[in-house]
Amino acid sequence: GAVVSQHPSWVICKSGTSVKIECRSLDFQATTMFWYRQFPKQSLMLMATSNEGSKATYEQGVEKDKFLINHASLTLSTLTVTSAHPEDSSFYICSASRLALSSYEQYFGPGTRLTVT
Amino acid sequence: DAKTTQPPSMDCAEGRAANLPCNHSTISGNEYVYWYRQIHSQGPQYIIHGLKNNETNEMASLIITEDRKSSTLILPHATLRDTAVYYCIVRANDYKLSFGAGTTVTVRA
Repeated sequence: GAVVSQHPSWVICKSGTSVKIECRSLDFQATTMFWYRQFPKQSLMLMATSNEGSKATYEQGVEKDKFLINHASLTLSTLTVTSAHPEDSSFYICSASRLALSSYEQYFGPGTRLTVT
Repeated sequence: DAKTTQPPSMDCAEGRAANLPCNHSTISGNEYVYWYRQIHSQGPQYIIHGLKNNETNEMASLIITEDRKSSTLILPHATLRDTAVYYCIVRANDYKLSFGAGTTVTVRA
């Protein structure tokens, strides 16, 4: 159980275009979903936290108008990178939080590799 | 969230136990210790977590000291597929995870 999927697994787009990445919790309802970004040889950096039906909370330094997050249901969150530029090329990873017994467990998707040319 | 300190890298032999240390001397009473690992170019994988007591599951064991200022993740029989970056994270329940640099574990045949 506790499977999180992402689509697409990789995408190449031209500079100036927008790209949407989907994150789904397949076998559980997620109270909260998170979006991370990871550059080569670096650790994961949290971009934003989203709860179903409410606006996402962005980390300091993350442009909310550039990285649009929609959390339409308890099993789906989307990240749209608007007007993408080469510096947005990165590995984008989502995670979904599930209450298990008395504590929350967070499960990660396989990631989406974005390359902007 | 409390900061954690992990060694940057360690090697271990295939078939032997791998003991991964983590210091979290500023941990608060309501913060859990979580361990995740990330195999190259994949999303992080949850391993185990605990609050005060030692925990064991099918993947690993987590030993937390009595004062909760440090912990050890034990992979009982390391295999080549256990080669990954291991992250020790402390956080309050249902709060965001903050990833540090982790420990790069290389299992050698």
